[in-house]
Amino acid sequence: QLQLQESGSGLVKPSQTLSLTCAVSGGSMSGAHAWSWFRQRPGKGLEWIGQIYYSGSTYYNPSLKSRVTMSVDRSKNQFSLNLRSVTAADTAVFYCAREVAAAVNDWFDPWGQGTLVSVSS
Amino acid sequence: QSVLTQPPSVSGAPGQRVTISCSGSSSNIGAPYDVHWYQQVPGTAPKVLIYDSTNRPSGVPDRFSGSKSGTAASLAITGLQAEDEADYYCQSYDRSLNSVIFGGGTQLTVL
Repeated sequence: QLQLQESGSGLVKPSQTLSLTCAVSGGSMSGAHAWSWFRQRPGKGLEWIGQIYYSGSTYYNPSLKSRVTMSVDRSKNQFSLNLRSVTAADTAVFYCAREVAAAVNDWFDPWGQGTLVSVSS
Repeated sequence: QSVLTQPPSVSGAPGQRVTISCSGSSSNIGAPYDVHWYQQVPGTAPKVLIYDSTNRPSGVPDRFSGSKSGTAASLAITGLQAEDEADYYCQSYDRSLNSVIFGGGTQLTVL
């Protein structure tokens, strides 16, 4: 069964770049699915950050687009997130998930377990 | 402030039925885009409960059902169980924002 696992630095200094990786196991990233990143600030709701396809095509949440870059490593079957110029407001649990293509608009399954990233000096 | 509006909390006794609403607009649910529902037990990742507004993935009990009308959607849970205590989120797409969107989440308490 498909499983996703986030990894990366749990502590990032303000103004630096947050970097996370999502390793996909139990299946290949190739195919029609997109792969997405989300964040959940402490005590708050879910926020979609953006998506990447196996081809490398990306689409980002317009509200974060200026600071986000996503990439895919086909040899390792994983994809990554970089979020630049972070502030304390970027402290959150970050999740990755596979996007399931639907008739109208996509949904997400499965999800990784999430990883907490704190922004602090 | 989330684009999709959910009640912050709902509660019910074991065995009862509860509904969670998700209110949107003509640029998302009313566009019409489908609504998907997730259950999140605190400290764990979200899990899809309902997709395409009314469909249940395999493994999700039929106590969970979804509906959509106009610019709103609802999640109904019948025969409440203690294990249903969690946060519930609706998700859709907004064509004005060009983004996937979520509701603010509803905390379900089983009394």
